[in-house]
Amino acid sequence: KAGVTQTPRYLIKTRGQQVTLSCSPISGHRSVSWYQQTPGQGLQFLFEYFSETQRNKGNFPGRFSGRQFSNSRSEMNVSTLELGDSALYLCASSDRVSGANVLTFGAGSRLTVL
Amino acid sequence: GESVGLHLPTLSVQEGDNSIINCAYSNSASDYFIWYKQESGKGPQFIIDIRSNMDKRQGQRVTVLLNKTVKHLSLQIAATQPGDSAVYFCAEKGYSTLTFGKGTMLLVSP
Repeated sequence: KAGVTQTPRYLIKTRGQQVTLSCSPISGHRSVSWYQQTPGQGLQFLFEYFSETQRNKGNFPGRFSGRQFSNSRSEMNVSTLELGDSALYLCASSDRVSGANVLTFGAGSRLTVL
Repeated sequence: GESVGLHLPTLSVQEGDNSIINCAYSNSASDYFIWYKQESGKGPQFIIDIRSNMDKRQGQRVTVLLNKTVKHLSLQIAATQPGDSAVYFCAEKGYSTLTFGKGTMLLVSP
């Protein structure tokens, strides 16, 4: 069974640009969560999607958005990039949205903003 | 303990020793806890989980202990190996999402 796949793995952008990151969950998983990981703040929750609906949202500005498609694949978008958006963006999938569920993470997309 | 800025708490052990990594969680309503391991260049990998109605759970070479009275979680790794070197995160689940701790770096010397 293939794991969680994130693309691209690395990217460099400049301030003011926008970026779209993609995540393909484990086959059969309908829940996708996104996290931002930085050395200073650790892993911070961005949002969670289940069956194409955003179920939970973290404390991030509106520049951060996401969506989920009918095949459970998900994308997140960051507009008007700032230097502080440089981070590892991790996607995780699960077979359910609530209760005790293990998140399986992808390897992440490392974004550098210059 | 808690990490500040760029500095993660670090635990250095010798190969073959037992390691204990500690985590304090914040939400007394959390009912599910997970330990993850993250190696350099990879995403976090599930190690072991425990529900709040348990105080101990064992896996292969790992044991998680939960003390709800003081909101403390620990991960014990038996016979630590160089391949165990990584950053370890505890995560708690309360009302909805998983909230992660700052992490502890485990360094294993041969």
